[in-house]
Amino acid sequence: EVKLSESGGGLVQPGGFVTLFCEASGFTFEYYAMSWVRQAPGKGLEWVSGIGGRGGDKTYAGFVQGRFSISRDNRKNTLYLQIQSLRVEDTAIYYCARDWAATTLTYFDLWGQGTLVTVSS
Amino acid sequence: DIVLTQSPDSLPVSLGERATINCKSSQSVLNPNSKNYLAWYQQKPGQSPKLLFYWASTRASEVPDRFSGSGSGTEFTLTISSLQAEDVAIYYCQQYYSAPLTFGPGTKVEIK
Repeated sequence: EVKLSESGGGLVQPGGFVTLFCEASGFTFEYYAMSWVRQAPGKGLEWVSGIGGRGGDKTYAGFVQGRFSISRDNRKNTLYLQIQSLRVEDTAIYYCARDWAATTLTYFDLWGQGTLVTVSS
Repeated sequence: DIVLTQSPDSLPVSLGERATINCKSSQSVLNPNSKNYLAWYQQKPGQSPKLLFYWASTRASEVPDRFSGSGSGTEFTLTISSLQAEDVAIYYCQQYYSAPLTFGPGTKVEIK
């Protein structure tokens, strides 16, 4: 089965750090760029970051301001998102999504179920 | 950044009737290769988004043919020809013409 499974979310204090994971299965992971998209509670979709199939070509949304870092391990079929200096406004469901090609900045043809990050004291 | 606006915000439609959602882009997403870099997604309550259309009008796999996508340049439309109960969802457009990728604010389709 072609699938993306996120994990790593939870309750984090403001100023804290979190690492999100996305495990891919059922397809050749390195053939595809991958992205993170977030959705604040009751709000719309917001693209966060993307990474090329080989791990190069990393792109970020402007609001990231150096606090987010995307990476991948093609041997483990896993995508990562590290977020530091967490803010209350980072509270959201974080989805990993498969780009339709090996290069970033495309549409997303496969989505995971999401992992919720709640930033609160 | 390319800003996408959608109208209406909310769309009550009777079962079997047509639903039309509009997406307007702040600049053209038509590439010189004559492709519109615009996608549509459906997000049902409690679920992750699902791709409906890419290149503005190419239907993704397993999407029923009552759904259609059209438009070019800066104005696009998603149409549901005969609304079914399972089509209740929020629909988003997304541009992939330039970074940062952006989404429209969404249109909530509900049963009248």
